[in-house]
Amino acid sequence: DSGVTQTPKHLITATGQRVTLRCSPRSGDLSVYWYQQSLDQGLQFLIQYYNGEERAKGNILERFSAQQFPDLHSELNLSSLELGDSALYFCASSVRGTILGNTGELFFGEGSRLTVL
Amino acid sequence: KNEVEQSPQNLTAQEGEFITINCSYSVGISALHWLQQHPGGGIVSLFMLSSGKKKHGRLIATINIQEKHSSLHITASHPRDSAVYICAVRGGLEGAQKLVFGQGTRLTINP
Repeated sequence: DSGVTQTPKHLITATGQRVTLRCSPRSGDLSVYWYQQSLDQGLQFLIQYYNGEERAKGNILERFSAQQFPDLHSELNLSSLELGDSALYFCASSVRGTILGNTGELFFGEGSRLTVL
Repeated sequence: KNEVEQSPQNLTAQEGEFITINCSYSVGISALHWLQQHPGGGIVSLFMLSSGKKKHGRLIATINIQEKHSSLHITASHPRDSAVYICAVRGGLEGAQKLVFGQGTRLTINP
């Protein structure tokens, strides 16, 4: 058990809908990272938050947004869903999140499997 | 050319064999991660390396910064080692915060 909790584990929805994925980091971890794993693209970094602030952005679509709350949990919002958004969405956390230097060990959640029909 | 290349893409071996998975990257990095993804989908971080060698149980990871190459070794392999092993680098072209992932190596250990 990594200590990172993601909900829901599975989600099936229709095109055009909006969903919210939730992540609770390990106790004491300030950084939360979101990743998308699709069959054709593999794992891709989406976005990182550190102590409530956006720290780095990757290949995240404009239809997607995220935030980190004062209690450090994070939510990834996916809207106007398309078939191609079907993927596993992982959250990971780490203690540090400084721009310079490494960010420490990463601890991954079990993922949220999104299926868009 | 991908920033991170793994080889082989697929590897099948017999229980007890010594396994090596390779990862090459094309830019300077601050750290390299080895991850394990089981068939259920969950990802476990095995190692984070910035230099030298690390060992945990039957797993050994090495990195050669000059050659931009890392290897993951499994000694006395076991069927429970069957998983996808993913190499990821941090601090390359995408910057310190963004992990760039290899395509993964699917390892199958037969009893």
